[in-house]
Amino acid sequence: DAGVIQSPRHEVTEMGQEVTLRCKPISGHDYLFWYRQTMMRGLELLIYFNNNVPIDDSGMPEDRFSAKMPNASFSTLKIQPSEPRDSAVYFCASSYLLGVGELFFGEGSRLTVL
Amino acid sequence: RKEVEQDPGPFNVPEGATVAFNCTYSNSASQSFFWYRQDCRKEPKLLMSVYSSGNEDGRFTAQLNRASQYISLLIRDSKLSDSATYLCVVRGSGTYKYIFGTGTRLKVLA
Repeated sequence: DAGVIQSPRHEVTEMGQEVTLRCKPISGHDYLFWYRQTMMRGLELLIYFNNNVPIDDSGMPEDRFSAKMPNASFSTLKIQPSEPRDSAVYFCASSYLLGVGELFFGEGSRLTVL
Repeated sequence: RKEVEQDPGPFNVPEGATVAFNCTYSNSASQSFFWYRQDCRKEPKLLMSVYSSGNEDGRFTAQLNRASQYISLLIRDSKLSDSATYLCVVRGSGTYKYIFGTGTRLKVLA
């Protein structure tokens, strides 16, 4: 079975540009999480979905960030406009109700904003 | 105060040594606890869950102390391949919000 698939793996962009990160969760998983990882702050939960519905977005840093999950097999995290302090690795993870505790992570999207 | 706190390390230990990490959490209502492992420039992966009675998986032992609000991970007979960052993870009651600590870096030396 394919794992969680994220794209792009690397993105370098200039300040002010729009960035869209994509995630395909594992088929059958009903929870999807977006995390951001930096050296200073570690892994921070940005938002999570259950059955495509956003449940908790309290970790989204500000209005420049938005996330959607239009269907069970696809989610996006958008940053508009991007800023240098958004540079980080963004991980998507999925899980299923009965698999409490095991989050399956994608390989991450490494974002650099110049 | 951070919700989940860990000593960042690094812990540099020789092969064969026993090493222990602790992690404290602030929310007394937290329900589930886990240790994840993250290799350099890779994604985190579940190492083991932590049960109230403590649990063991080969060379790894995890324990939970609810009264003092900390969990621990003990690694016996360290291998070079154990070198990684170990992340403490806590899930609150009634939520699927998994909060990660910043990790403890372990380096096992030959």
